[in-house]
Amino acid sequence: SQKIEQNSEALNIQEGKTATLTCNYTNYSPAYLQWYRQDPGRGPVFLLLIRENEKEKRKERLKVTFDTTLKQSLFHITASQPADSATYLCARRMDSSYKLIFGSGTRLLVRP
Amino acid sequence: GAGVSQSPSNKVTEKGKDVELRCDPISGHTALYWYRQSLGQGLEFLIYFQGNSAPDKSGLPSDRFSAERTGGSVSTLTIQRTQQEDSAVYLCASSPELGSNQPQHFGDGTRLSIL
Repeated sequence: SQKIEQNSEALNIQEGKTATLTCNYTNYSPAYLQWYRQDPGRGPVFLLLIRENEKEKRKERLKVTFDTTLKQSLFHITASQPADSATYLCARRMDSSYKLIFGSGTRLLVRP
Repeated sequence: GAGVSQSPSNKVTEKGKDVELRCDPISGHTALYWYRQSLGQGLEFLIYFQGNSAPDKSGLPSDRFSAERTGGSVSTLTIQRTQQEDSAVYLCASSPELGSNQPQHFGDGTRLSIL
């Protein structure tokens, strides 16, 4: 069965540094991977989508990579700010269905 | 409305009661999804709709759970004879159409507490 795994330990970094979050998946590569941000008490908010044939995708201070050999996606936030503190979720589509499987998320804490 | 709206935002009820959760998707979005999120956990898929049709109900935890969508818009998730393990945040999302390249737009959820 397809699984998607994220580091459950919180990532604690200093403001201004680059945060790197990891998403690993099993079985064959999905056509797309999605990344979301979730703040406490709120629903997830879509950030970026990367296609299987894209190595890298950027949006402002955000960068996502997709390595089908390692079966891994990395999510980077450059010049991190305390306002970036949140839980970040990755998601992939389940085979033969349109439902998304979400990782359990990684909590990012950016210290001022 | 501008975003996905869910009601109520909080619901506290006694074990054994039925509850109904409502989701108003973004206008024009044909795909609608329900998820459940337990404290500190990831999102668990429950069901999705394409229009008024639910092709995949395999995520519903038991036959106490049901969902419907009418007019291609509002959806309700009903939990009958609630149990304490049903306590969670129930999230609804919508997207313009089905497809893994479609971002999902989430509401802020209904926090359900079963006493």
